Amino acid sequence: EIVMTQSPATLSVSPGERATLSCRASQSVSSNLAWYQQKPGQAPRLLIYGASTRATGIPARFSGSGSGTEFTLTISSLQSEDFAVYYCQQYNNWPPEYTFGQGTKLEIK
Amino acid sequence: QVQLQESGPGLVKPSQTLSLTCTVSGGSISSGSYYWSWIRQPAGKGLEWIGRIYTSGSTNYNPSLKSRVTISVDTSKNQFSLKLSSVTAADTAVYYCAREADYFDYWGQGTLVTVSS
Repeated sequence: EIVMTQSPATLSVSPGERATLSCRASQSVSSNLAWYQQKPGQAPRLLIYGASTRATGIPARFSGSGSGTEFTLTISSLQSEDFAVYYCQQYNNWPPEYTFGQGTKLEIK
Repeated sequence: QVQLQESGPGLVKPSQTLSLTCTVSGGSISSGSYYWSWIRQPAGKGLEWIGRIYTSGSTNYNPSLKSRVTISVDTSKNQFSLKLSSVTAADTAVYYCAREADYFDYWGQGTLVTVSS
């Protein structure tokens, strides 16, 4: 099983500032990584796939980078609606054994 | 726009079988090269992929749950289903269905299933 580790567990940032979230894989997943945003009581929402491609309708302030084992989600200028929990997910295995990180809670400072 | 909706009992007794159905609307479940997955999330915790099915009936399951999981599809009803046997309190979670192209681009709203006597 590929273990995904996200850091930090909680990130406190002020609106308008930049947020940088990290995700590390226990072995290389190439660029087969996605990021999701989840708000309380809602299903996760796909933000990024292929490590750096924004999903349909996702604002340009969200960007993803990295490959192999180290990945980053950057939100360039935080808006009030961006405060949520963020998960990374790898999809590199065959047969598939998709795994998620434990999440980073992005809270208002 | 594709929409997914989970349905099924919200309360299941220990040792029994959890059964959920996901109804897909806004498009045919058979169109495109998509798999259809189940994912769960215990309260306050992270996400766990349970398994997936293609419209041909081909399935893949999480090895940690494989012995207890069956996913099936009914293309005539545009639905796919999850059965999880021998449930315990540890299976209490919100269960989501999702469309998958390796990553999950459309999700249902989720349904809470509680395992309790």
